[in-house]
Amino acid sequence: EIVLTQSPGTLSLSPGERAILSCRASQNVGNNYVAWYQQKPGQAPRLLIYDASTRATGIPDRFSGSGSGIDFTLTISRLEPDDFAVYYCQQCAYSPRTFGQGTRVEI
Amino acid sequence: EGQLLESGGGLVQPGGSLRLSCAASGFTFSNNGASWVRQAPGRGLEWVAGISESGDRTYYADSVKGRFTISRDSSKNTLYLQMNILRGDDTARYYCTKDQGWESSHWGQGTVVTVSS
Repeated sequence: EIVLTQSPGTLSLSPGERAILSCRASQNVGNNYVAWYQQKPGQAPRLLIYDASTRATGIPDRFSGSGSGIDFTLTISRLEPDDFAVYYCQQCAYSPRTFGQGTRVEI
Repeated sequence: EGQLLESGGGLVQPGGSLRLSCAASGFTFSNNGASWVRQAPGRGLEWVAGISESGDRTYYADSVKGRFTISRDSSKNTLYLQMNILRGDDTARYYCTKDQGWESSHWGQGTVVTVSS
């Protein structure tokens, strides 16, 4: 199975700053089928990005995804208070559709 | 946009069985693939199983293969997860998801499964 490694484990930033989250796969992710999710405490995850760079419906444009092959990145251009959460990447190209271990973005 | 509502969680002894259900409302669930994703207390997300729109293809994580079965009933607009030979490390909140392509575009609020004697 493909192992996804997210870094850093925790990102400590302030509102207005840029957040850059990394997701590295143990092997090539076909068709760049990588998704990113946001999860806040006590809530279900929410899809942010799919196919590595396509924003899901209703997701603000301060969220952007990039990458190909084995390296993928989620960028939050200007952090808002509502963005402090845990973010997960997932590869959807092969079964099992594995998740990374998550990056916590905290104030 | 619709809603997904999971049920069937609870406390079960090791070696026991449970069947989770996920009822969809506001959309036709069989138009999409679907998945179950779980999250152990204080841990990250783990994809558990997936099923195609028609139900003829199923996929499983290695950790549950041979013990769990995903299925769907289009007439009831409902997804299921039959869980057998449950173990302590199956303790988690189980989320039902509607798949858009291969990613999980919509999530229920989850149902909690606790495996303990």
